[in-house]
Parts: sequence; structure tokens; C-alpha cells
Amino acid sequence: DTGVSQDPRHKITKRGQNVTFRCDPISEHNRLYWYRQTLGQGPEFLTYFQNEAQLEKSRLLSDRFSAERPKGSFSTLEIQRTEQGDSAMYLCASSPPGNYGYTFGSGTRLTVV
Amino acid sequence: AQSVTQPDIHITVSEGASLELRCNYSYGATPYLFWYVQSPGQGLQLLLKYFSGDTLVQGIKGFEAEFKRSQSSFNLRKPSVHWSDAAEYFCAVGPVEVSGTASKLTFGTGTRLQVTL
Repeated sequence: DTGVSQDPRHKITKRGQNVTFRCDPISEHNRLYWYRQTLGQGPEFLTYFQNEAQLEKSRLLSDRFSAERPKGSFSTLEIQRTEQGDSAMYLCASSPPGNYGYTFGSGTRLTVV
Repeated sequence: AQSVTQPDIHITVSEGASLELRCNYSYGATPYLFWYVQSPGQGLQLLLKYFSGDTLVQGIKGFEAEFKRSQSSFNLRKPSVHWSDAAEYFCAVGPVEVSGTASKLTFGTGTRLQVTL
């Protein structure tokens, strides 16, 4: 069990650029979640997958955001035309079938300048 | 809609003193309840969780929490705080799925714990 891995740990980008983050869940976990956390706030749900199917998307997830989980393994979260308001920590988590506990990754901190 | 309130933004306690962090939730039925801890720049670590049964649950690092349905509360406690407990603590609530699987969670805004020596 190597835990949930996120890459990169930090990303600085200019406004208007596209960015992509990757999450590798624990191998036997079929669910994968994305959350966003801004300074001084708790994590906010963005979206989650069961295997390769995206089951729910938050209204927070504008059209500029897209997430995929091809083959039900790793997942990517892409933000197009980044804005300063996108600056946040993006957290990924995974959970196994029939289990009610998540394991979180260490997150990707995005700074849009 | 579900929501979580952590009324204390910042708490300072002396090492060795007892600790109680408050959490109140709003949910239509009995939810899953969680406490997570986050160190600076890190992800979240699960301390403990409640789904059913005994309303006093034990977690890691000597933490416990008590579910009180009548008060819609799930307060976190520790009898003796250590300096290494300094961190941000988040309470979270989530729906109960038939399969028993966790689903999306709603988090509170967190309580920052400072420990003085």
C-alpha cells in the first residue's frame, strides 16, 4: 500500500494557461474523489468516480474543469484558461468497495499568477 | 442540504491539558461522521469515524468522539494533548449508501489547534 499519490505537488501558472494534475489511487480502491481546498476553508467536493464512470460533479466544477479516469486507474483533473480564483490545494482521495473511509493524497497546490 | 459547523476557528491549549473540539451537523437522516487532521501543507488523515452502534468512538492518536443525535453534534476529545497534536482539525459528514461505501463528504471550516509548552 503506497498510499494516494498526487503529481505535481506544486504548480505555478500564468492566468489563462491550462494545467493538468494527476492522481494515482491505492490500487484496489474503486472510488476516486477530487476536492478543492482554499486557505482557511475545509475541502469542497468537486467530483468522484467509481471505476471509470464519473458519478457526480459539483456545481463548483465549471466548464473549464474536466476530470477523467481512463480504465479506472489513475485520474487527471484539467483546468483550462486558469483564473486567479482557481488558486487552491487540489486534493485527491480514494476508497475501496464497501468501505466508508477515504485515504487522501498530499494534494497539488496551484498558484495562478 | 447537509452542512457542518465548527464554531471554534482557533483553540490554544497547554500540553497535557484536555481538549474538546466542537462539531455540529445538519443532515436529513443519520449520516456518516468523520474527523480528519491536517498538518500544514499536507493531505488529510482520518482520525475516526461513526456510522452506527456505540455512540462513543475511539480513533487513532488517543482521540475519541461522541455522537449525540439529540444535539446533532459529534465532538472530538482527547484527555491529554501532546505538542505534536498541533494541526488543523476538520469534521465531515457524508451520506450513508446502501453498499456501505463512502460518498462525497461535506467538511466544516476547520479548527486550528495550537499547543503551548
